[in-house]
Amino acid sequence: NAGVTQTPKFRVLKTGQSMTLLCAQDMNHEYMYWYRQDPGMGLRLIHYSVGEGTTAKGEVPDGYNVSRLKKQNFLLGLESAAPSQTSVYFCASTPPLGEATDTQYFGPGTRLTVL
Amino acid sequence: DQQVKQNSPSLSVQEGRISILNCDYTNSMFDYFLWYKKYPAEGPTFLISISSIKDKNEDGRFTVFLNKSAKHLSLHIVPSQPGDSAVYFCAATRTTSGTYKYIFGTGTRLKVLA
Repeated sequence: NAGVTQTPKFRVLKTGQSMTLLCAQDMNHEYMYWYRQDPGMGLRLIHYSVGEGTTAKGEVPDGYNVSRLKKQNFLLGLESAAPSQTSVYFCASTPPLGEATDTQYFGPGTRLTVL
Repeated sequence: DQQVKQNSPSLSVQEGRISILNCDYTNSMFDYFLWYKKYPAEGPTFLISISSIKDKNEDGRFTVFLNKSAKHLSLHIVPSQPGDSAVYFCAATRTTSGTYKYIFGTGTRLKVLA
């Protein structure tokens, strides 16, 4: 049981390049989330998904797209990277409604630098 | 508009003493609150939570207090240990919305001095 994994762990991009961050969970969780963490800003929600095939915008969705084609995977895409997207990105998942809401599991993070 | 605020960016405490971390929120619809702990280069891990129907929840050395009228919660760690040195985030959610969106504070860096 690996929990929540993120690929890659580190990445350096040039402005305008694109990339996809992969989040995978093996706990059969319904809800998945993408956050970014910046100094002094805490964790801010980018996009989230309440089930396979569904996505929704969070607090800071601009410049990002997501897809949840399979229940266990949640992809975060940057179509045209900007220096303002330099950040540490965390994926998280939670069990289905009706189960404990305190078990939000986080991945180890992806450190992205955009030059 | 920051709905969840942690006004102290950092806190230093001597080993064995009490650590008190504070968190304020503005949205009265929040009904579930959580504390997470984060070590460098790792993802946050769940620490303790409290429902709005309670005003206190304990788990070993960790106690969370909720004051709904003041829209304030605090995390008490007694006794503090060097291994508690980390960044602590409070988070809030509105469980009745059905979306389980969590709003996080900006974090407080706790340093426990040996």
